[in-house]
Amino acid sequence: NAGVTQTPKFQVLKTGQSMTLQCAQDMNHNSMYWYRQDPGMGLRLIYYSASEGTTDKGEVPNGYNVSRLNKREFSLRLESAAPSQTSVYFCASKGLGRETQYFGPGTRLLVL
Amino acid sequence: DQQVKQNSPSLSVQEGRISILNCDYTNSMFDYFLWYKKYPAEGPTFLISISSIKDKNEDGRFTVFLNKSAKHLSLHIVPSQPGDSAVYFCAASAYSSNTGKLIFGQGTTLQVKP
Repeated sequence: NAGVTQTPKFQVLKTGQSMTLQCAQDMNHNSMYWYRQDPGMGLRLIYYSASEGTTDKGEVPNGYNVSRLNKREFSLRLESAAPSQTSVYFCASKGLGRETQYFGPGTRLLVL
Repeated sequence: DQQVKQNSPSLSVQEGRISILNCDYTNSMFDYFLWYKKYPAEGPTFLISISSIKDKNEDGRFTVFLNKSAKHLSLHIVPSQPGDSAVYFCAASAYSSNTGKLIFGQGTTLQVKP
């Protein structure tokens, strides 16, 4: 099992460009999450999907959209990238109950 | 408002000694706490957790202590090893939210010197 996979690993964008970060999990988990990690800020929740067919905003949703394509896949879209969105993005998934979240390896995004 | 705080950005200890990482929280609805470990260029990995019905949970060299009255938890690593050098995040969740959302602290970078 690959666990949680993310593509791409690294991306450089110009201000105003759009892109989609892909995430997939093969653990048959119901819930999926998108976080960003910035120095001194820890991990902050952008959006989450508690179950297939539902999505909700987290702490820092502005400038992002998400799609829960199916149970396996949860994508994050930046419609018009800004330098403030330069960050490392992590996707995570979780099974039922109080199980732990499993994280992907991250996507490093630089917006110039 | 930072609901989960790790006030020490970094900690350096000698190999074989104890490492103590601290975490404070403000939301009394939190009832489940976790510690994650993160190496550079990798995603966080789960280390240990504790429910609010307990005050201690132990797993090998790692022990987490929870003081609910002080809204404080700590992670003890004994003995510390160079491979433990990483960033450690504490996280908290509230069962009542029914979403599994985690609120993370800022992280503490642990360096274990040989």
